[in-house]
Amino acid sequence: DGGITQSPKYLFRKEGQNVTLSCEQNLNHDAMYWYRQDPGQGLRLIYYSQIVNDFQKGDIAEGYSVSREKKESFPLTVTSAQKNPTAFYLCASSIKGGGYVDEQYFGPGTRLTVT
Amino acid sequence: AQSVSQHNHHVILSEAASLELGCNYSYGGTVNLFWYVQYPGQHLQLLLKYFSGDPLVKGIKGFEAEFIKSKFSFNLRKPSVQWSDTAEYFCAVIPWGGYNKLIFGAGTRLAVHP
Repeated sequence: DGGITQSPKYLFRKEGQNVTLSCEQNLNHDAMYWYRQDPGQGLRLIYYSQIVNDFQKGDIAEGYSVSREKKESFPLTVTSAQKNPTAFYLCASSIKGGGYVDEQYFGPGTRLTVT
Repeated sequence: AQSVSQHNHHVILSEAASLELGCNYSYGGTVNLFWYVQYPGQHLQLLLKYFSGDPLVKGIKGFEAEFIKSKFSFNLRKPSVQWSDTAEYFCAVIPWGGYNKLIFGAGTRLAVHP
């Protein structure tokens, strides 16, 4: 069964701690994305990767970091520098990277709460 | 800055009512347009998309959207809603040359009462 998995579904952390959110896809997609969803604001792009070992900042990258060492994996680290980390985080993928425009497939999301 | 506006944040309808959700974008050049839907407890999924050609686009579950370039709009419609259409709907845009980076609207939460 192909798709995108994100774990865990709910995550709780203390302020000042870094936390890594997992995203794995078995769709053999080249491109992967991280979005943040806040109530009343839609989704905003944090980072994206068009190919393995390459990634670019999105609109709200400050306080976040990513890696893309494997095609199927794109973990997101929320660092202590992120001023308002509590949010719903969505991972997505699409078939090709580069300038190719097409549908993005989304995972189930991770709800992060930082207190 | 490029933006996407969804005018209705919350919509409440009775079953069989007609639906139209507004979406306007600020980018003046060529755009690719999408509507995504998030049903309660489910993944965000594509409802329909417009890249070129016929500006009236049909999607899944009886939804359609019309691209009106002169109005910078891509409104979503359904002639008769069902209770199962209760969900949050997001309009999104990729401006030409935008490297498949979606710019989302704030979303419209639709509640359909039986």
